[in-house]
Amino acid sequence: AQKVTQAQTEISVVEKEDVTLDCVYETRDTTYYLFWYKQPPSGELVFLIRRNSFDEQNEISGRYSWNFQKSTSSFNFTITASQVVDSAVYFCALSGGSSNTGKLIFGQGTTLQVKP
Amino acid sequence: DGGITQSPKYLFRKEGQNVTLSCEQNLNHDAMYWYRQDPGQGLRLIYYSQIVNDFQKGDIAEGYSVSREKKESFPLTVTSAQKNPTAFYLCAALGTAPRNTEAFFGQGTRLTVV
Repeated sequence: AQKVTQAQTEISVVEKEDVTLDCVYETRDTTYYLFWYKQPPSGELVFLIRRNSFDEQNEISGRYSWNFQKSTSSFNFTITASQVVDSAVYFCALSGGSSNTGKLIFGQGTTLQVKP
Repeated sequence: DGGITQSPKYLFRKEGQNVTLSCEQNLNHDAMYWYRQDPGQGLRLIYYSQIVNDFQKGDIAEGYSVSREKKESFPLTVTSAQKNPTAFYLCAALGTAPRNTEAFFGQGTRLTVV
């Protein structure tokens, strides 16, 4: 069975601090995809990144970076120099398998509050 | 603008009523999905459709029904059999190559039973 665990329910930081959101996944598939989505108060999910199981290169996009480690089944997300606008719920998700129907398995989400 | 449109944004339902949530996309994507979000929880899959006139149950399909008569539309009906329908509902469509593993989401419908 596939599962995504985000152990951190809520995180509160002060602006300009760095913060890492943890994501651990379980799957028996050899081909799969991992995602991070941001959900601002408006409710819409905003796509942040996709990583496939064959690409373990870490990625940096501005203040955002992602650390994918297959050995520990983790796909952690770091925000450097956090800003108030980063306050949102962040979801890690998993999809894939031989059928690749596109179904997403979500973690419970981590609520990030960045205080000024 | 291209995207996924969900309506209404807020919906109130009386006990015992069926209600239908609308999801329309103009992205020409084949696959569409309905997810339910409860407070403090992640999204759970209700139904999905990979092609017109075909759909499959997700993890929590009981009390819901869908149709896919057109590629652009994937409405979700919350029936009176759904015992706890109050939740936030999100519709998504799967991108086409090369973004064919990325789901695009609508802005959601918040359903409340009164």
